[in-house]
Order: sequence, then C-alpha cells, then structure tokens
Amino acid sequence: GDKVKQSPSALSLQEGTNSALRCNFSIAATTVQWFLQNPRGSLINLFYLVPGTKENGRLKSTFNSKESYSTLHIRDAQLEDSGTYFCAPSGSWQLIFGSGTQLTVMP
Amino acid sequence: AQTIHQWPVAEIKAVGSPLSLGCTIKGKSSPNLYWYWQATGGTLQQLFYSITVGQVESVVQLNLSASRPKDDQFILSTEKLLLSHSGFYLCAWRTANSDYTFGSGTRLLVI
Repeated sequence: GDKVKQSPSALSLQEGTNSALRCNFSIAATTVQWFLQNPRGSLINLFYLVPGTKENGRLKSTFNSKESYSTLHIRDAQLEDSGTYFCAPSGSWQLIFGSGTQLTVMP
Repeated sequence: AQTIHQWPVAEIKAVGSPLSLGCTIKGKSSPNLYWYWQATGGTLQQLFYSITVGQVESVVQLNLSASRPKDDQFILSTEKLLLSHSGFYLCAWRTANSDYTFGSGTRLLVI
C-alpha cells in the first residue's frame, strides 16, 4: 500500500475559515516537508520539520515521529491558499510524497 | 544565494525520439541532487539521486537514465521516448540536514 497517506484528498473552504490536513506514513522519517503546488506546477516550501511544531503566519504544522504523522493547520483561509498540498516525509535518501490534498478556497 | 535552473521549460516530442532535460544548481558546493516525475494529476515519484559527480542511483525504472557530469549539473535522458514519459519533471537539491528545494520543472508531452 501507499507509504504516505494524506487526508482529505480534496477540500473546499469558505474564505476566512480554518482547516487541518493530515499525513500518516509508514516509513521511519526523520524530517517532514510540506509543499504547496501552485497551478503552474511550482512547489513552494511551506515547512521543513524535525519532530515538533512550527508556525508561519496563518499556517502551523506538527510532526509526531513516534506516531508517524504530521498535520498542517490553515487558519483564516484566503483565496491564494488554493492549490495542492503535499506532505513528504524523508528517510535515508528518499523524500516520499503523499498523494496530496487539493484545496479550493471560495469567496 | 542558491539558485536552481531547469531547462527546457516545456517540450513536445514524438514517441521514439530522444530526450535530454537539464538541471543546474548555483551557489552550493557538492549538493545531493534528485529527479522527480509527476504524472498529470498525480503525486511526485523519485526517479534518481546523486550524492557526488559521476555517481547516480536509480530509484524507479522508467526507461530513463540520469548522469551527473559536473558537480552542479544533473541530466535526465532517454534514447527513445514512450507515451508514458509524459508529465512534469522536477529537479531538487539538498545538503546534509537541509530541506529539499525544487526547480520550476519541465513539462513534457509525448505524442
């Protein structure tokens, strides 16, 4: 099965609301990265995490290495937050991507 | 500051034709380099990685090959393209204990 599972696969939010994305994985990850892929395909680095929590503006992410999961919280969603969010835990020489969460923020 | 440049930005190629995609990293010595592929609407799949000049490891076999002729250059190629090679190719770099940084990608359509 998939080594990295993201949920939900798709999500629609009203502007100004909050949400959480989840990433469960079955590899021994030492770090986790979260990316936003914009419509042009560019991958924007959101977070690079060792076990613990980081916050950046309206985004907050946690990596729990003992239970092998990570979360990304979006507060006060804006239209420009729309896109596909990828979680990618890393172990050894591989960064393994989940299948992504497609987020649409509506006015 | 480090920069990563991929070329070309996009290609339309015929089945059976050769392909060469390039990636150059400036401002970082001896980075680890990676090639990823993304099918339309799909996730990213690691194809190759390299930790030093002249050395490349294959992660997934897709009838492609990679080479690292210089410290700052990573090349992805094939002699004969298949329809299944269509997609989005991304190059990335990292150093020890740093995050992965991706280039802007090459979009390939094989017809």
